[in-house]
Amino acid sequence: GQNIDQPTEMTATEGAIVQINCTYQTSGFNGLFWYQQHAGEAPTFLSYNVLDGLEEKGRFSSFLSRSKGYSYLLLKELQMKDSASYLCAVINSNYQLIWGAGTKLIIKP
Amino acid sequence: SQTIHQWPATLVQPVGSPLSLECTVEGTSNPNLYWYRQAAGRGLQLLFYSVGIGQISSEVPQNLSASRPQDRQFILSSKKLLLSDSGFYLCAWTSGRASDTQYFGPGTRLTVL
Repeated sequence: GQNIDQPTEMTATEGAIVQINCTYQTSGFNGLFWYQQHAGEAPTFLSYNVLDGLEEKGRFSSFLSRSKGYSYLLLKELQMKDSASYLCAVINSNYQLIWGAGTKLIIKP
Repeated sequence: SQTIHQWPATLVQPVGSPLSLECTVEGTSNPNLYWYRQAAGRGLQLLFYSVGIGQISSEVPQNLSASRPQDRQFILSSKKLLLSDSGFYLCAWTSGRASDTQYFGPGTRLTVL
């Protein structure tokens, strides 16, 4: 089968750094997405990785290791507005998008 | 720029009633369109996707159906709703290349009582 694993919930402190991990087992790989979803809202696109390495976008960075089937999303200088669920999704060899269940991130003052 | 609309935003329906949710995309042509459902606290479940007018692929057997009467219009329907149909329904589009980013509409919160 195909699956994506993420922690269900994480807690971090405002101003700190948090790393959200995602491991995947899929039939092939054509890219990995990270989305942010605030409660009651639609997911919004954060990042796309298709090659190994780190992609940085302001306070958010995403890392990919295809050989390990592993990615992480790194959030720096956490703000209260970063409280949300973070969804990892992988495109497999059939160009199907496989979604993880998401990680709920709770930011405490 | 591209925009995706969904309506209604919220809906409360009795069991056994029909359903029609609409999604439209502006600012692009020949998009791939998707319907997802998200149960409370859960991940996204792909229900249907379409690569063109009249072309619908179903991912999960259920009492829902989808139609694409126009290039940028995608409709989700049911003849008789079940309690288990409650959830957050999201429409998404991509430009047509399979590896492109999916962009989501605002969603419809459906409660079946």
